[in-house]
Amino acid sequence: SYVLTQPPSLSVAPGKTARITCGGNNIGTNSVHWYQQRPGQAPVLVMSHDTDRPSGIPERFSGSNSGNTATLTISWVEAGDEAVYYCQVWAGNSDHVVFGGGTKLTVL
Amino acid sequence: VQLQESGPGLVRPSETLSLTCTVSGYSISSGYYWVWIRQSPGEGLQWIGNFHRSGTTNYTPSLRSRVTISVDTSQNQFSLDLRSVTAADTAVYYCARHLGRADPFQDGDWGQGTLVTVSS
Repeated sequence: SYVLTQPPSLSVAPGKTARITCGGNNIGTNSVHWYQQRPGQAPVLVMSHDTDRPSGIPERFSGSNSGNTATLTISWVEAGDEAVYYCQVWAGNSDHVVFGGGTKLTVL
Repeated sequence: VQLQESGPGLVRPSETLSLTCTVSGYSISSGYYWVWIRQSPGEGLQWIGNFHRSGTTNYTPSLRSRVTISVDTSQNQFSLDLRSVTAADTAVYYCARHLGRADPFQDGDWGQGTLVTVSS
């Protein structure tokens, strides 16, 4: 089955840039979505179809997807960005939804 | 659309975990995929499976032998049955609506989640 690999954690100082990666075999051919999850809450969509930012998500959030890696970039990181971020694709060959393991973003 | 999970919060090991998702604001029979997702304490999200109005179901391979998702269109509900549970099945279970295979899960398309603990 299709596997998405994320780094378990990432620490970034306020005002710096966070780049959260999601690795998968030829992931560039899939449409990747990103979710932010804070403790005790359901996931919130922060990026869809690789690069589409939903209404209400700051322009500081951007996405890219090519080859074997998709990336969620958060510029000018703020304390409020601290959360766990998950990537997600539809694995067409197996007809399943797949989530990455999640990356805990810590703002120093 | 609104989705609300219901069911027991405590299930004994080896028994069957049964949850229901009541959908309001949209008719299940009209379309889309109806999904169960779970999250074990401190762990990531796991897609359990889905039901499509065509009658097809898909399940994640690791749970396929123990899980059934079914729909009751008369009650506008869909359900999850997970058999022979162990402590590893302790998790928050979310029901959700999935608009299309390549689409994301929209913010308003999740239930609030319900914690199910497997313990004797």
